Amino acid sequence: AQKITQTQPGMFVQEKEAVTLDCTYDTSDPSYGLFWYKQPSSGEMIFLIYQGSYDQQNATEGRYSLNFQKARKSANLVISASQLGDSAMYFCAMRTHISGYSTLTFGKGTMLLVSP
Amino acid sequence: DVKVTQSSRYLVKRTGEKVFLECVQDMDHENMFWYRQDPGLGLRLIYFSYDVKMKEKGDIPEGYSVSREKKERFSLILESASTNQTSMYLCASRLGLRANEQYFGPGTRLTVT
Repeated sequence: AQKITQTQPGMFVQEKEAVTLDCTYDTSDPSYGLFWYKQPSSGEMIFLIYQGSYDQQNATEGRYSLNFQKARKSANLVISASQLGDSAMYFCAMRTHISGYSTLTFGKGTMLLVSP
Repeated sequence: DVKVTQSSRYLVKRTGEKVFLECVQDMDHENMFWYRQDPGLGLRLIYFSYDVKMKEKGDIPEGYSVSREKKERFSLILESASTNQTSMYLCASRLGLRANEQYFGPGTRLTVT
């Protein structure tokens, strides 16, 4: 079975510090993709970053980077220099398949609070 | 920019009512998805559609049906709403099966009383 696990229900960080949000996954597919989405209090889901299982380098997008450790089946999100606007719910997701069609399976999320 | 809109941000319905949640995307995307989001459970896939008039069950389809008569519109139907369907409903679209990113709408918070 394909599964995404986020073990941190909540995280606190001070402004300007770096924070790592954990994500582990389980899949038997040789080819898969991992995503991180941000959901602010307004509710919309914002795509942050994507890592393909065959990508040689860890993905980066501005202050976001994905620490991909294939052997450990982990895909942690690192946010550098946290800002107050980073306070939100963060979801890790994995590309999975239903009836041969690709879909996403989400973790339960981690609430990040950034304090001044 | 891709835009996914949902017909209502907030909706209150009574038990037993038939409820329609509408989702429209304006970027000619082939695939569309309906999720529900509950605290502590994350997002769970209800149904998805990979093309017009095509649909597939997701992880939790019981109590729901869908309709996709036009490419831009994907409707979620609760035939007889129940209190355990009180939730946030999120619609998403994706360019096609080979694309990675899903684009989400703002969500509809449905309360069934």
